[in-house]
Amino acid sequence: RKEVEQDPGPFNVPEGATVAFNCTYSNSASQSFFWYRQDCRKEPKLLMSVYSSGNEDGRFTAQLNRASQYISLLIRDSKLSDSATYLCVVRLSTDSWGKLQFGAGTQVVVTP
Amino acid sequence: GAVVSQHPSRVICKSGTSVKIECRSLDFQATTMFWYRQFPKQSLMLMATSNEGSKATYEQGVEKDKFLINHASLTLSTLTVTSAHPEDSSFYICSARDRPASGRYEQYFGPGTRLTVT
Repeated sequence: RKEVEQDPGPFNVPEGATVAFNCTYSNSASQSFFWYRQDCRKEPKLLMSVYSSGNEDGRFTAQLNRASQYISLLIRDSKLSDSATYLCVVRLSTDSWGKLQFGAGTQVVVTP
Repeated sequence: GAVVSQHPSRVICKSGTSVKIECRSLDFQATTMFWYRQFPKQSLMLMATSNEGSKATYEQGVEKDKFLINHASLTLSTLTVTSAHPEDSSFYICSARDRPASGRYEQYFGPGTRLTVT
């Protein structure tokens, strides 16, 4: 079983619509959670950290459910530039080096 | 924000040759650097963790004699793919973490190196 699992998509979203997707993690010792964005053939870039109480950054809202061990990302008012692969990333509390574990990503395609 | 560079950005080499990839932290000191590999439509897979001045720690299944990692200074780590084979063709990405004393654990990613072995 993968440590971090995501629906690969693609999620085809009309411009201006809302899209949401989840990620599940298997290790209950996971301490820190992030969403990264990766464009085709580029490196991942940090989109936002995910906090227990949930947090919002502009059109992006992230939620964490520790009991069920899943994280969600919601994108409102989708823009064409939001088309990318979104990577769910976790870090274990037991890892002193801060190693990250990546999901395979959820592809989002925003269409005009 | 912190900047990490990688060189080269892409390289094509013949089977059996060796390729060296450099990862540099440009505006901070990185005591820890990570090397990842990503195949198409797959997640980033951690290959090894390197700490300045000590031997790298390799993840299970990664051959340390094939993927040589050197972290000679606080701003430079290198990955050498020795005796490359076509199956080593992949996107290699490094990341660097700031010193623990900084209190920051965020990893900053380099732009990646696309290796093609013919």
